[in-house]
Amino acid sequence: EAQLGESGGGLVKPGGSLRLSCTASGFTFTSYTINWVRQAPGKGLEWVSSISSSSTYLFYADSVRGRFTLSRDNAKSSVYLQMNSLRPEDTGVYFCAREATTGEDAFDVWGQGTMVTVSS
Amino acid sequence: QSALTQPASVSGSPGQSITISCTGASSDIGGYNYVSWYRQYPGKAPKLLIYGVTNRPSGVSYRFSASKSGNTASLTISGLQAEDEADYYCSSYTSNKSLRLLFGGGTKLTVL
Repeated sequence: EAQLGESGGGLVKPGGSLRLSCTASGFTFTSYTINWVRQAPGKGLEWVSSISSSSTYLFYADSVRGRFTLSRDNAKSSVYLQMNSLRPEDTGVYFCAREATTGEDAFDVWGQGTMVTVSS
Repeated sequence: QSALTQPASVSGSPGQSITISCTGASSDIGGYNYVSWYRQYPGKAPKLLIYGVTNRPSGVSYRFSASKSGNTASLTISGLQAEDEADYYCSSYTSNKSLRLLFGGGTKLTVL
């Protein structure tokens, strides 16, 4: 069964940094684009960033561009989201999601999410 | 554009059908057949219900169907069941250079 699992969330002060990890199992990791989607408490989903299978293509939402950096280690079946200069509005649950190979920008496998709280 | 527009809530009785709309623009829903729909239970990860406007992944009930007309996509759930009570989100590729993917604001479905 294809699975994703996030880790690395926690409480951080404004201006601080966190590194989230997303580890895959049960599928050929090197064939898939991986995305991060976040959800502020009580709010809707917001796409954050994506990285293609060979790291050739990287995309970021304007709200995080210049502060967040996405990378992947295919040997470890893992994706990493380095989050710097964190702001209170970055608070929320961060999900990693696999992009289906059908090519319609659909996310067919999701992790359980990891909570990030930015507060003084 | 910050998000696709969905009704905040819809409701229906068991056995009935309901439709959730998702309105965008020509730069997203209207211009591409890259609309997806997700269901999310409280405290859980979203689950893919529909991709490519109308396609159901393997294992998703036939009670879920979807369509698109112009800049508006729609999700229909037929034969409502208590387990359908959840939040539903649409998403679409966008050519807006500030983003790659847009989500709708979400719709809370209540089964009466």
